[in-house]
Amino acid sequence: SAVISQKPSRDICQRGTSLTIQCQVDSQVTMMFWYRQQPGQSLTLIATANQGSEATYESGFVIDKFPISRPNLTFSTLTVSNMSPEDSSIYLCSVESSGGADEQFFGPGTRLTVL
Amino acid sequence: QKEVEQNSGPLSVPEGAIASLNCTYSDRGSQSFFWYRQYSGKSPELIMSIYSNGDKEDGRFTAQLNKASQYVSLLIRDSQPSDSATYLCAVRGARTGGFKTIFGAGTRLFVKA
Repeated sequence: SAVISQKPSRDICQRGTSLTIQCQVDSQVTMMFWYRQQPGQSLTLIATANQGSEATYESGFVIDKFPISRPNLTFSTLTVSNMSPEDSSIYLCSVESSGGADEQFFGPGTRLTVL
Repeated sequence: QKEVEQNSGPLSVPEGAIASLNCTYSDRGSQSFFWYRQYSGKSPELIMSIYSNGDKEDGRFTAQLNKASQYVSLLIRDSQPSDSATYLCAVRGARTGGFKTIFGAGTRLFVKA
């Protein structure tokens, strides 16, 4: 499986500010995903990021709040904009296996706290 | 009805016993099924994938799929305290366009030493 890293691993931010989370993969992948996981909850898909096209956002998530970049097949960023305490969560980058199977693998996550 | 349903638990089993984790899904066109393990404070780790009806074994883990009943389960034999974690069932189906995997809320498992 691909090795996925995320930066930062955690951050504490003030409301109204923005944070950009980076996701780096050690191999080229077509499909990258951004998830949010709030304490004690399951995973909620924010958007799917394909290289060379606009990200596809899930219901309840909008580009102005969560802009995503996917400049190449190994890298993506998610920005959490104009943060509020409700944005406090773990944000996870995920990639789909490039071997033909549709398995997904996750990065270590970014723990965000908004004060 | 949730798309992927799991009993939240906690499920408590003694060390050495078999832990049985269950999951039902609503999309009859679903084609791919996964079990993830998530330790507290960590990200989900894929432990099993299954695509055909029947059983699939990998070490102490057995995944079971019954598409007619829209049911998938995970058996953990000889449970160890290190198996204590939340187990997420995930389903990927035709209805979601093949590009989105739906996760259940997870079942917390405690293995008592």
